[in-house]
Amino acid sequence: GAGVSQSPSNKVTEKGKDVELRCDPISGHTALYWYRQRLGQGLEFLIYFQGNSAPDKSGLPSDRFSAERTGESVSTLTIQRTQQEDSAVYLCASSPEGTGLRDEQYFGPGTRLTVT
Amino acid sequence: AQSVTQPDIHITVSEGASLELRCNYSYGATPYLFWYVQSPGQGLQLLLKYFSGDTLVQGIKGFEAEFKRSQSSFNLRKPSVHWSDAAEYFCAVVLYNTDKLIFGTGTRLQVFP
Repeated sequence: GAGVSQSPSNKVTEKGKDVELRCDPISGHTALYWYRQRLGQGLEFLIYFQGNSAPDKSGLPSDRFSAERTGESVSTLTIQRTQQEDSAVYLCASSPEGTGLRDEQYFGPGTRLTVT
Repeated sequence: AQSVTQPDIHITVSEGASLELRCNYSYGATPYLFWYVQSPGQGLQLLLKYFSGDTLVQGIKGFEAEFKRSQSSFNLRKPSVHWSDAAEYFCAVVLYNTDKLIFGTGTRLQVFP
């Protein structure tokens, strides 16, 4: 079956512009995660959605970052007034249940964001 | 501070040689442990995971890892590396009763023929 997909695969934007990154999780997966991967660094947790529960936003680095999810489907990560330090690969993952304790997270290929 | 450490940023091995990638964690309790691989242009893929029980776990692609509580380590091993194993490898942990994967900074593996 189809895996996690993300779009666009690459995005170049000017400093100060807003960007939207999209994630389509695997059908039926209730949990969805966003991560940021800066060059030469590990993945940094951003936000987590589980069903109809309030999302865990504890990893969002600033109020310029926000994310939404429609039901148990598509999620959009929005970065407002982008800064050069926002340049990174943004990865989305989904899993069948709400915890990383038991369930493998399935990752998308990522969106490479470059802020000039 | 709670953390996951991968001390080797970059490792180079010859094809057919054995491999060990190091991972250490610093948490009060035993976390749940994972190894992921990120191949060029592809998403992360789970290699193996440890929750409890036998401390030597087998994964996909011929990889295994051993949990050593006394050393707070979860090193990844493979007896004979293939050129296709060249990738970035990430160790990750989940603390009990949380839903977050905490990743190490990764080890880039290069394989020479």
